[in-house]
Amino acid sequence: GDSVTQMEGPVTLSEEAFLTINCTYTATGYPSLFWYVQYPGEGLQLLLKATKADDKGSNKGFEATYRKETTSFHLEKGSVQVSDSAVYFCALSGGSQGNLIFGKGTKLSVKP
Amino acid sequence: EAEVAQSPRYKITEKSQAVAFWCDPISGHATLYWYRQILGQGPELLVQFQDESVVDDSQLPKDRFSAERLKGVDSTLKIQPAELGDSAMYLCASRVQGGREDTQYFGPGTRLTVL
Repeated sequence: GDSVTQMEGPVTLSEEAFLTINCTYTATGYPSLFWYVQYPGEGLQLLLKATKADDKGSNKGFEATYRKETTSFHLEKGSVQVSDSAVYFCALSGGSQGNLIFGKGTKLSVKP
Repeated sequence: EAEVAQSPRYKITEKSQAVAFWCDPISGHATLYWYRQILGQGPELLVQFQDESVVDDSQLPKDRFSAERLKGVDSTLKIQPAELGDSAMYLCASRVQGGREDTQYFGPGTRLTVL
């Protein structure tokens, strides 16, 4: 079945450092790909999405490119801030009902 | 900006008691999802509604969990009786049905603690 694998955390960075969180997927068909962010005690917020190969999603300085050839959707940000500290989930929308299938999440901590 | 509403935000109960969670999706969203998120894990689908109909409840533990969306708008998820292993965050999400818009929007969740 469809699945998402993302790098395990926690990831600890200094402010202004470069961020990469790796995400790869297995899916039949052509799923949409998503990154969601979860702040402590809160629900999930959509960070960015891409619906087809070579699409780049971007938001708040974060970017991810849908790479069909490597089945990847890595999240990047050039300069992280303390306020980016959260858990990041990679997900795909698969199956006939469009259910979201999530990775296990990667916790990011940014130190001043 | 329209949001998915959930209540309560936090619930503490004792084992074998009944609990219920409520979700009000974004207006006009025909598809509604309930997910369970165990601490340190990603959310996992429990049940999906299209209007008032269940379209996927294959992962719902039906001996103790039930879900309904009687008028195709808000929804209730119930657990009876609650067990220790049910402690988790319960998330509701909604989506516009059809077209290329396949984004799910999540509510703030209900944190359940079973003692």
